[in-house]
Amino acid sequence: GQQLNQSPQSMFIQEGEDVSMNCTSSSIFNTWLWYKQDPGEGPVLLIALYKAGELTSNGRLTAQFGITRKDSFLNISASIPSDVGIYFCAGQLIQGAQKLVFGQGTRLTINP
Amino acid sequence: EAGVVQSPRYKIIEKKQPVAFWCNPISGHNTLYWYRQNLGQGPELLIRYENEEAVDDSQLPKDRFSAERLKGVDSTLKIQPAELGDSAVYLCASSQVGFPTTPLHFGNGTRLTVT
Repeated sequence: GQQLNQSPQSMFIQEGEDVSMNCTSSSIFNTWLWYKQDPGEGPVLLIALYKAGELTSNGRLTAQFGITRKDSFLNISASIPSDVGIYFCAGQLIQGAQKLVFGQGTRLTINP
Repeated sequence: EAGVVQSPRYKIIEKKQPVAFWCNPISGHNTLYWYRQNLGQGPELLIRYENEEAVDDSQLPKDRFSAERLKGVDSTLKIQPAELGDSAVYLCASSQVGFPTTPLHFGNGTRLTVT
């Protein structure tokens, strides 16, 4: 099925460092979403992007919807221990109303 | 507001046995989704409901999987008979009509282990 390429697959950083991850696709999306998933829980929405070129922040998180509609990135500034988890991007296909396609996830580990 | 509620949280069964998962969406959300998440992967859509109607079940293995959403609120996903490869986390999500203005909200999932 449809796939998003999310990178990196995992990150090991020091507390206080900035983090950047991204998703790319061969398909055009009309919405990009970023979710965080903690162990044993469902994904929790972090940021939603609805327009090409849109740059949106949520606290220390910033995400952008690529101009080509085929990519998005998420940045986390000044990481803290509670940022640990798996981050997923998700795109909504233009021809697939309300159907989200998820990336494989980026596992973030923070060394105190 | 209460979130998406799923039960049970965990289920261990032997292969060839039946199993069922239950989901109660966020109040007022008329679109409900069932996703399957394999270990180390992102969620993959199994079926999407708009009210009582299954509008996208193209990814649902219909030989063994079935789902229903009677009265357009709660939903049940069933597997019969279960196979070893069905071990995964089954996530339910809901949203209001008018997406993308109301993104999907997920429950905590049911972790199924088939032995």
